[in-house]
Amino acid sequence: KAGVTQTPRYLIKTRGQQVTLSCSPISGHRSVSWYQQTPGQGLQFLFEYFSETQRNKGNFPGRFSGRQFSNSRSEMNVSTLELGDSALYLCASSYGQASYEQYFGPGTRLTVT
Amino acid sequence: GEDVEQSLFLSVREGDSSVINCTYTDSSSTYLYWYKQEPGAGLQLLTYIFSNMDMKQDQRLTVLLNKKDKHLSLRIADTQTGDSAIYFCAETHDYKLSFGAGTTVTVRA
Repeated sequence: KAGVTQTPRYLIKTRGQQVTLSCSPISGHRSVSWYQQTPGQGLQFLFEYFSETQRNKGNFPGRFSGRQFSNSRSEMNVSTLELGDSALYLCASSYGQASYEQYFGPGTRLTVT
Repeated sequence: GEDVEQSLFLSVREGDSSVINCTYTDSSSTYLYWYKQEPGAGLQLLTYIFSNMDMKQDQRLTVLLNKKDKHLSLRIADTQTGDSAIYFCAETHDYKLSFGAGTTVTVRA
C-alpha cells in the first residue's frame, strides 16, 4: 500500500505570494492533519480534517487555510507569504474517526525569499 | 494545555542501549507516541502506548510509561548506526499531536 504522498516536495516562493500544497493520504484513510516544522518552533499543528470537516485548528493566522475533498485528499493554502513561513510542511493521515495511528508523508519544503 | 519536554541530545556507542526520556503534562492524553525523523525525511511512527499500559515491547524497542509522574521513555536495545536520527515524543488530544522538541541521537562506533 502506498504511503502518504505530498506534492510538490520543494517550493520556492517570493514574499507576498500565495502557495497551495497537496496531500494524498494512504488509501482508505479518511483523516488528514497538517503540521509545520521549523528549527525555532519545532513541530506545530495546523489543522485536522475528517470526511471534509475541519475538527481542530492550531494557533495560526487566517492566512493559513485548508480543505479536504471527498476522496480524502487535502490541500493547504498560505496566502500573503512571509519569510517566517519558510518551513517543512508535513501531512499525516489516519484511518478512522478516532484512529490514533498517524502516518506522515515526506513533507513539502517551502522557502520564502 | 499541552507541553511535552525531552532532552535535546544523546550520544551512544554502537551495540549499547539508548534511553530517551520525555515528560508530558496533559493527563487526558489517550495515547503517547514515539516518532523518528531522519535527515530530509518525514516522521516515521515507531511505536505508541495506550495510557492505561505501563510497558510495551516491540522488537528492539521498549516503551515505559509512568502515569503518576507523566514520564515516558523509549529504550532502543543494541543501538545501530541506522538508529542515528531525531526522536520525537508526542501526546494526542482533540485529534492533534503535540510534540516535544526532539532528541538527536548520535551513534558512535
